[in-house]
Amino acid sequence: ILNVEQSPQSLHVQEGDSTNFTCSFPSSNFYALHWYRWETAKSPEALFVMTLNGDEKKKGRISATLNTKEGYSYLYIKGSQPEDSATYLCAFRYGNKLVFGAGTILRVKS
Amino acid sequence: SQTIHQWPATLVQPVGSPLSLECTVEGTSNPNLYWYRQAAGRGLQLLFYSVGIGQISSEVPQNLSASRPQDRQFILSSKKLLLSDSGFYLCAWSRAPTNEKLFFGSGTQLSVL
Repeated sequence: ILNVEQSPQSLHVQEGDSTNFTCSFPSSNFYALHWYRWETAKSPEALFVMTLNGDEKKKGRISATLNTKEGYSYLYIKGSQPEDSATYLCAFRYGNKLVFGAGTILRVKS
Repeated sequence: SQTIHQWPATLVQPVGSPLSLECTVEGTSNPNLYWYRQAAGRGLQLLFYSVGIGQISSEVPQNLSASRPQDRQFILSSKKLLLSDSGFYLCAWSRAPTNEKLFFGSGTQLSVL
């Protein structure tokens, strides 16, 4: 059974706080690690696709790092804003399929 | 540009009734296609994926089936719905090869009563 674990399950922060989440995945047979943002009443949207050990990706205030040898990825949000409130999903590519973690629910209070 | 259409948006069905959810992709050819389900309070569970017409891989033994009658059409079906089939169903596509990101449909909220 392929396990993709995310922590924490949920997070409540104040506007302006920086925060980070963790995604753990199998360290063998690595193809790619994806991050998605899923806002309420919308479809999940891809943030990053990471394929190489040591990869760092950035999109505005959001960035991600990847460690394939130890099987984890971090997602960072700098200066959280209320519009960052969403569920953040990571997904591990295994062959032709993408296996998702349960997600981290982020709520940013203004 | 590519678009994905999924319908219906919501569905309320009695236990034992059949199910058909449809998903179509426009603007691309030979996409990889996926059906995911989110049960209440849980993450996205992969149900089926397809890399070509008539090629379906099932991930979880269950009451559901999938078909891909055309290159850009993916259908999720059931002959007899169970209460446990309730959930939010998402169709998605990606370009092959498979390190490409997924593009999701708008989802179907299925309630089986």
